[in-house]
Parts: sequence; C-alpha cells; structure tokens
Amino acid sequence: QQQVKQSPQSLIVQKGGISIINCAYENTAFDYFPWYQQFPGKGPALLIAIRPDVSEKKEGRFTISFNKSAKQFSLHIMDSQPGDSATYFCAASRGSNYQLIWGAGTKLIIKP
Amino acid sequence: DTAVSQTPKYLVTQMGNDKSIKCEQNLGHDTMYWYKQDSKKFLKIMFSYNNKELIINETVPNRFSPKSPDKAHLNLHINSLELGDSAVYFCASSPSQGAGEKLFFGSGTQLSVL
Repeated sequence: QQQVKQSPQSLIVQKGGISIINCAYENTAFDYFPWYQQFPGKGPALLIAIRPDVSEKKEGRFTISFNKSAKQFSLHIMDSQPGDSATYFCAASRGSNYQLIWGAGTKLIIKP
Repeated sequence: DTAVSQTPKYLVTQMGNDKSIKCEQNLGHDTMYWYKQDSKKFLKIMFSYNNKELIINETVPNRFSPKSPDKAHLNLHINSLELGDSAVYFCASSPSQGAGEKLFFGSGTQLSVL
C-alpha cells in the first residue's frame, strides 16, 4: 500500500510532441504528489507538485493532472524539447514527518 | 555557491575498504538525508537527520554509519565495502522534516567497489 507505480519505464517522443508519464498509488492518505527531474550526473530537482484539493496544476509547459478517485496522477510535458530529456520521478507522501515514497523513474528522450 | 555539495564526486575502491562521503548544505535547512540510487535509477532513502538528530533509519546494513556534526553537515561512513554497495549516493536537504517540503539534492557520489 506504500508503493507508487510509475509508467512507462522509458519514453521516446518527437520534438514538439506531448510527453505523458503516469503514476498510480494505493494509499488514500497520501496528500502530496511531487515530480522530480534528474539530468545525467546531477541530483533530482523538484519540477512541480500538487496536493489533492486540485485536479490540475500547470507551470509553463509542465502540467500535473490528478485523479483522486482513480488514485492516479500524471505529468504532461507540452511542446517537448530535447532539453527535457531526463529521468522523471513521481513521488507521494502523507502529512508531516513521513518520507517520500518514490516511483521507479521514467527515462524520457526527446528526439530532435 | 552550491546549495548542497558532496565530496568526492567519484570514489573507486577495493572490497573491504572503509570510505567516507561528506555533505554540506548552505541553505540553512534543518533536515538532511542520504539516498542511494542503484543502476536502475531507483531512489531509496537511507537516513534522515533533523537538527543533528536521526529521524529515519531505513533497513540499511550497519556498515553504513551517518554522522551529523552540525545541522549543515551530514557525512556517511561505510565500513567493509562490498560489491553491492556500488551505486550513486545522494545527499539532500529540506527546510524541515515535513514530507511536503522541497528536497534539494547534491550532485551525487558515484561509488564503485571493485
């Protein structure tokens, strides 16, 4: 019940296309859902995060869609660029004093 | 100035040796972490310290010993290194220990045990 399942494991998208990465969770107590972006040789960096009181959050080309009833959330990257090529991690947590539960990561490659 | 810095960047050593990785953050954060990332990129938390006090200690062999001399530093000492310890180790910090806090990661230490 503590797992966060992320898919796909890898994704290739043409430049200008939409990249979509999905995550599913079981624990209905989760109340914080961040996405982290990791470039090769670097640590993960927070990209965007959402709490379950909203169904969507947009920051520039990045959007999180959240479906509470289905216990799923997804990252959409519009107009994908080669510079977006990275590994993306979803995560979830509940309340304070609890650690993040991480998805397994998605390696995204944007083809020029 | 790098917010979370860890040294060394690369560490190549023989099985059985003892090694340390150092981490410092200049963000004024209260909470620091050690994460292990394996070859499949899976991130696993190892330890978390809040104001020098250990708050998370996952199932990690006791060959791994974290030390926090002050809240800006969290070092990781590894005894009797094994082949399976080869991974990238990330230090991270957050303003407080709340899981909703943004994590700031260092650039990682790639440990290779031969």
